Amino acid sequence: SQQGEEDPQALSIQEGENATMNCSYKTSINNLQWYRQNSGRGLVHLILIRSNEREKHSGRLRVTLDTSKKSSSLLITASRAADTASYFCATDNFGNEKLTFGTGTRLTIIP
Amino acid sequence: SQTIHQWPATLVQPVGSPLSLECTVEGTSNPNLYWYRQAAGRGLQLLFYSVGIGQISSEVPQNLSASRPQDRQFILSSKKLLLSDSGFYLCALAVSSGRLGEQFFGPGTRLTVL
Repeated sequence: SQQGEEDPQALSIQEGENATMNCSYKTSINNLQWYRQNSGRGLVHLILIRSNEREKHSGRLRVTLDTSKKSSSLLITASRAADTASYFCATDNFGNEKLTFGTGTRLTIIP
Repeated sequence: SQTIHQWPATLVQPVGSPLSLECTVEGTSNPNLYWYRQAAGRGLQLLFYSVGIGQISSEVPQNLSASRPQDRQFILSSKKLLLSDSGFYLCALAVSSGRLGEQFFGPGTRLTVL
């Protein structure tokens, strides 16, 4: 079963605006990761945040993690048309050799 | 850097026919390997993963099977395909070094069962 649940399921914004996606999970984690998937392609790793971290930045990406609420958010600033894709969170649970992926947020950037 | 090859890119198969999807990796040794399936517009469902040659863990009981005959080769098979086997199949690897990090994904195989 999918542990991560992204919210919203779909998001459309104007180019240049900021996009925020949220992820909730159910069990304790070692780390949480965000991936991007362009239509019909494989997933690409964006950023990893460990359970003892609260915020992380990478370029136009900002990820926050609140382990008390079991939630994470991904912020994409100054969005571009090329950011149009599906975004997935994935959790690494202690003791497992696998990730559990969420259901994804479909982001559309309107030029 | 790691590279993942999957073939074929697309496949159309009749119900009841066999299936063999191959995934090979380059640029790393002793990786963890994974097979996922993605239905249209949906998230990823983990099917199998392997931490070494001959070691397969099954996540979802179904008519699919996996094998890892070599360190850098992961094969997904079925003896008789069902309509519900249609989907986008993704192979992924993780560098196994004691702590799980990011996964690297192949380009995927789109399977349509008719």
